[in-house]
Amino acid sequence: QVQLQQWGAGLLKPSETLSLMCAVSGGSVNGHFWSWIRQPPGKGLEWIGEIHHAGSINFNPSLKSRVAISVDTSKKQFSLKLTSVTAADTALYYCARSRPFDYWGQGTLVTVSS
Amino acid sequence: QAVVTQEPSLTVSPGGTVTLTCGSSTGAVTSGHYAYWFQQKPGQAPRTLIYDTSDKHSWTPARFSGSLLGGKAALTLSGAQPEDEADYYCLLSYSGGRVFGGGTKLTVL
Repeated sequence: QVQLQQWGAGLLKPSETLSLMCAVSGGSVNGHFWSWIRQPPGKGLEWIGEIHHAGSINFNPSLKSRVAISVDTSKKQFSLKLTSVTAADTALYYCARSRPFDYWGQGTLVTVSS
Repeated sequence: QAVVTQEPSLTVSPGGTVTLTCGSSTGAVTSGHYAYWFQQKPGQAPRTLIYDTSDKHSWTPARFSGSLLGGKAALTLSGAQPEDEADYYCLLSYSGGRVFGGGTKLTVL
């Protein structure tokens, strides 16, 4: 059974960098795309981007200039960095296995506040 | 970036049938968009019900089905149960990315 465990700082100040990690257990990172998704409080889901174990990356165009996603196959982890955060980046952030989005992390609430 | 549209809200009677749809601003939704449907209940992470337009996960109740209908992706719920009351999101895949719809709040009443 594949499980995703995510972690990262939950409180940031404006202009700081959001950094989240997601660890994969019970399966391999190879052969799959791995996504980051977020959900502002009371709002809908927004796809942030995804990475393949071989390094191919796709981004949401609206976030592309601020987003970095990487994968460490040896550690079976992938990460999200979002620079220059503002209050609009306050959200519950999820990691998930893309295609078919069958496994999700538990979610990390990130709050941006001065 | 494409805009994916869903009905903001729908109501279905217990035991009834309802179809949720998912449209794309770029034109007709096809199998090439690999449509996904997610169910999200309050305080819970989303759960995938349908992937690749019509494929089901092992945990997907048989009363849910996915299809293409009138140029849109569709999620049909046949025989609604009270526990089906939730938010439903579709996700479409495009060249180089994916886009969620705004979600449909389904009430079973």
